[in-house]
Amino acid sequence: RKEVEQDPGPFNVPEGATVAFNCTYSNSASQSFFWYRQDCRKEPKLLMSVYSSGNEDGRFTAQLNRASQYISLLIRDSKLSDSATYLCVVILYGNKLVFGAGTILRVKS
Amino acid sequence: NAGVTQTPKFQVLKTGQSMTLQCAQDMNHNSMYWYRQDPGMGLRLIYYSASEGTTDKGEVPNGYNVSRLNKREFSLRLESAAPSQTSVYFCASSYLAANTDTQYFGPGTRLTVL
Repeated sequence: RKEVEQDPGPFNVPEGATVAFNCTYSNSASQSFFWYRQDCRKEPKLLMSVYSSGNEDGRFTAQLNRASQYISLLIRDSKLSDSATYLCVVILYGNKLVFGAGTILRVKS
Repeated sequence: NAGVTQTPKFQVLKTGQSMTLQCAQDMNHNSMYWYRQDPGMGLRLIYYSASEGTTDKGEVPNGYNVSRLNKREFSLRLESAAPSQTSVYFCASSYLAANTDTQYFGPGTRLTVL
C-alpha cells in the first residue's frame, strides 16, 4: 500500500462548481499535512497547511480526519485558474515528506 | 529575489555519462532538498541538507551524490547516468525543517538518459 494515496482524476467541473478531493495516508504517526498546487510543467507551490481543527483560506477549505487517516481539500466557486494538479503532502517527522501522486482538476467554462 | 534557481533546465545524457545539477537559493534558508518526479509516482526525496555542512539520504538516494557547497548552493551529481534516472528533478529549500515550514521549489530540470 502506498504511504499517501490520491485519486488521480481528472476531475472535470464547470466554473462555479464545488469540488472536493481526498487523500489517505497509511502511517498514523504522521505529524504534518499540506496541500501543494502544481501547474502543468511547473514547480509545486504551497497552497495551504492542514490543521487538526480544519482551516479555510478564501474559497479553499482543508480538513484532517486522524481517525480515518485522510485529509481533504474543498474548493468552492471553482475558477478556470484553479485548473492544476493538487498534491497531498504528509510529513512523518523532520524532513521526511511523502508526496501523493496528485489529483488533476480541470475547470471548464 | 530570484528564489530557488536550477541549472540546466533541460539535459540529455547517454548511459554512463556524468553530470551535476546545480541549485541555488537567495532566501537565506537553512534546509535544501533534491526531489525527482516521475509520472504517477509523486515527488520522491533523493537527498536533503538540514543545514550547511550536513547531508542525509532520502527515499531514493542510490545513483546520486550531493554537495552542500555553502548555505546558498546544493548540487546533485549523477556519476554514471542510467535510463531509470530519466525524470524531472526539483530542488527546494525551507528556512526551518520541512515539517514546520513551507518548501519553495525551483523550476525543475528535465533530464533524459538515453
